[in-house]
Amino acid sequence: QQQVKQSPQSLIVQKGGISIINCAYENTAFDYFPWYQQFPGKGPALLIAIRPDVSEKKEGRFTISFNKSAKQFSLHIMDSQPGDSATYFCAASIQSSGDKLTFGTGTRLAVRP
Amino acid sequence: KAGVTQTPRYLIKTRGQQVTLSCSPISGHRSVSWYQQTPGQGLQFLFEYFSETQRNKGNFPGRFSGRQFSNSRSEMNVSTLELGDSALYLCASRTPGSEAFFGQGTRLTVV
Repeated sequence: QQQVKQSPQSLIVQKGGISIINCAYENTAFDYFPWYQQFPGKGPALLIAIRPDVSEKKEGRFTISFNKSAKQFSLHIMDSQPGDSATYFCAASIQSSGDKLTFGTGTRLAVRP
Repeated sequence: KAGVTQTPRYLIKTRGQQVTLSCSPISGHRSVSWYQQTPGQGLQFLFEYFSETQRNKGNFPGRFSGRQFSNSRSEMNVSTLELGDSALYLCASRTPGSEAFFGQGTRLTVV
């Protein structure tokens, strides 16, 4: 069962542009929504995370927007840079149930110079 | 502070064999989780250990097993390997209230 749906599968953005990746979840018990960045040959690294009591969280060029009623959340990368080229995964978990993360299918982002 | 260390980095096994992968968490982290990453299925949760006890288990067959030692190091074992078990196996560790830190993974190829 695909509990976290992620789109698009791939994304090409020009340097300086905005990259937007969307995720939708089904399980309303999820209460922690992280985004991970993965470079080839590396493990995923946490980029930014949000809990459902806030609608937006910003860290530098990265912003998460969260819509609890629609069960959707998105990652916005402002002023995208070639160094941002990586695969991005959204995830969700139920914090009281341990560390099980349910991941989206990933978005391969390419930022053109 | 050293990160999550997974050994070996690469492994080639034959169908029917078994394999053991190792994960050393960040010092002080007592929770270790394992994930399988494949191009087709993405990142899928295998199991989670906390203080030597399995706390969560994903939807994988019984050929996949794991354990955690008193020093928080963890191993996962896959018996009777199948071609479809070829994947990147990732280990993550965390301490309560912190994010999960992933290792670089073990790339398993079954031939």
